[in-house]
Amino acid sequence: QLQESGPGLVRPSETLSLTCTVSGDSINSYYWSWIRQSPGRGLEWIGYIYFTGTTNYNPSLKSRVTISVDTSKNHFSLRLTSVTAADTAVYYCAKISYDSSGYYPSYFYRWGQGTLVTVSS
Amino acid sequence: QSALTQSASVSGSPGQSITISCTGSSSDIDAYKYVSWYQQSPGQAPKVIIYDVNKRPSGVSTRFSGSKSGNTASLTISGLQAEDEADYYCSSYTVANTWIFGGGTKVTVL
Repeated sequence: QLQESGPGLVRPSETLSLTCTVSGDSINSYYWSWIRQSPGRGLEWIGYIYFTGTTNYNPSLKSRVTISVDTSKNHFSLRLTSVTAADTAVYYCAKISYDSSGYYPSYFYRWGQGTLVTVSS
Repeated sequence: QSALTQSASVSGSPGQSITISCTGSSSDIDAYKYVSWYQQSPGQAPKVIIYDVNKRPSGVSTRFSGSKSGNTASLTISGLQAEDEADYYCSSYTVANTWIFGGGTKVTVL
């Protein structure tokens, strides 16, 4: 099970910080991702982290995003700096499953329930 | 990276089959077999229904099937049921080691 947590309201120009706590599963040996969905809009992939700390991000957000992992706490986190109203969205964390070979990361297998973050003064 | 292209809406009567297309490029859909499809009901998190182009996770109805040709992937829902009314999103891994989603397709059961 995945559970997002963090402030539901962030002021413009400040930093959005969320944590995804993983329960009933180990964060080790897997890839984990953040995905968001603006109100009434589609899904936008934000980035991923491997349990070793390797990351990659959506090029459109790369300059503002940091994803980190704490294996001792079995959670991973998202930081998004200099937020604007356009960053208002439901933020989901997700586990990435491997393909049928068991070697390459492929699809978003398990999702958290999502948390709404509103950017407003 | 630009979103994959999906038609905004598709509708069908109960029992019919419908197909949702998802068009990408040589950098994503045409590059790998890592196309997946997600079903999202209102107020719910997305749920994977197809992965690796045409594989169904355990518990997903056999009425859902996926395919790919070149840079276009497709999701077919056979024997359409009222419970299939939802938004559907395609996704693909890309050559840049990122993922990309489609804009979503709203399926309406008439």
